[in-house]
Amino acid sequence: EIVLTQSPGTLSLSPGERATLSCRASQSVSSSYLAWYQQKPGQAPRLLIYGASSRATGIPDRFSGSGSGTDFTLTISRLEPEDFAVYYCQQYGSSPRKYTFGQGTKLEIK
Amino acid sequence: QVQLQESGPGLVKPSETLSLTCTVSGGSISSYYWSWIRQPPGKGLEWIGYIYYSGSTNYNPSLKSRVTISVDTSKNQFSLKLSSVTAADTAVYYCAREKLGVYYDSSGYYYYYYMDVWGKGTTVTVSS
Repeated sequence: EIVLTQSPGTLSLSPGERATLSCRASQSVSSSYLAWYQQKPGQAPRLLIYGASSRATGIPDRFSGSGSGTDFTLTISRLEPEDFAVYYCQQYGSSPRKYTFGQGTKLEIK
Repeated sequence: QVQLQESGPGLVKPSETLSLTCTVSGGSISSYYWSWIRQPPGKGLEWIGYIYYSGSTNYNPSLKSRVTISVDTSKNQFSLKLSSVTAADTAVYYCAREKLGVYYDSSGYYYYYYMDVWGKGTTVTVSS
């Protein structure tokens, strides 16, 4: 079973700064099978990135995803106040079909 | 625009069965896979299982013995039943739509899925 480990657990930055969030898989994952979600307190997760690097509908271009194999990154180029939230990576497993989430990275205002 | 709404009892007694329904509005339940995900208080996300509109299912192995997901296409709804609940099943339960993605490489076409639409979630507490 593939385990996703996100780092750091908490990231403290200021608006306007660049955020780099990491998601490492315990074994190689197809790039297309990696997604990122944003969750704000009291809200449901929101899809940001799918296929490792494709932005979901309505997601600002300051959000970008990259990576391959076991190492994936979510980058927020210039943080806006509304970007402070918890971010989860998710892996889709095809055989058998299932999903695994990372434990999350909390992005907080410094 | 497709919207999902979870409904069901907010309080369930230990050893009983948790039952939730997800109603799909603004679109058809047909031709999609639909998932249930849960989130214990202060913790991360756990996938519970999915159902295809035709009725085929797959469950998280850690919950498989206690989970049943069903679909009612006439009502545009799908449902979750989790039996023999304990306090560890206390969580916010979300339903979500799975969107199909396709990529192509030298070996051929590959299909994958991701969750593009989520319900707002419903809190279920297991307590006597």
